[in-house]
Amino acid sequence: AQSVAQPEDQVNVAEGNPLTVKCTYSVSGNPYLFWYVQYPNRGLQFLLKYITGDNLVKGSYGFEAEFNKSQTSFHLKKPSALVSDSALYFCAVRAFQTGANNLFFGTGTRLTVIP
Amino acid sequence: EAEVAQSPRYKITEKSQAVAFWCDPISGHATLYWYRQILGQGPELLVQFQDESVVDDSQLPKDRFSAERLKGVDSTLKIQPAELGDSAMYLCASAGALAGTDTQYFGPGTRLTVL
Repeated sequence: AQSVAQPEDQVNVAEGNPLTVKCTYSVSGNPYLFWYVQYPNRGLQFLLKYITGDNLVKGSYGFEAEFNKSQTSFHLKKPSALVSDSALYFCAVRAFQTGANNLFFGTGTRLTVIP
Repeated sequence: EAEVAQSPRYKITEKSQAVAFWCDPISGHATLYWYRQILGQGPELLVQFQDESVVDDSQLPKDRFSAERLKGVDSTLKIQPAELGDSAMYLCASAGALAGTDTQYFGPGTRLTVL
């Protein structure tokens, strides 16, 4: 069965500092991994995805994520945080080989960037 | 930029009443998903359509929930009767033809409150 863990409910970082939001996954077969961001009372906005290829994936708004197969992790990173990055971040996985193509989401990490 | 449309954005109803939510996916997207997101949790799949056919509704509470996508374009999710525990955000997402690898794009959601 597929699952995603986001070990931190809350991450606080000072504006201008680098940020990391952690995600680990469990899946049979090759994983397809996604990061989404959600602002209050809004739907989810796609940030980036890993399907295959380069382990470092670059996405929207300066975010990037690194796929680490040995650690089954897909941490989201940004070199310099902005106050406007404050939001709820979700990691999700889809297992290609099982035939299911819906997304399994983590419980989310609330990022607060402190001015 | 094409977006997934949902209406209404907010719905307040009393328990035992019927409610319906509407979703219009991005034009040309064959795959449509309905997710439910309870406050403080990640979205969970309710039903997935491929064109007008249901692909996965294993998590849909079929005694009270129904979903249709009659012409393979827009979709309606219905709850009858609503219960207090149905209070949540209902998210619609769509994906292109290569649904196994393509990105799911989410609408703004419908926030349902059952009193």
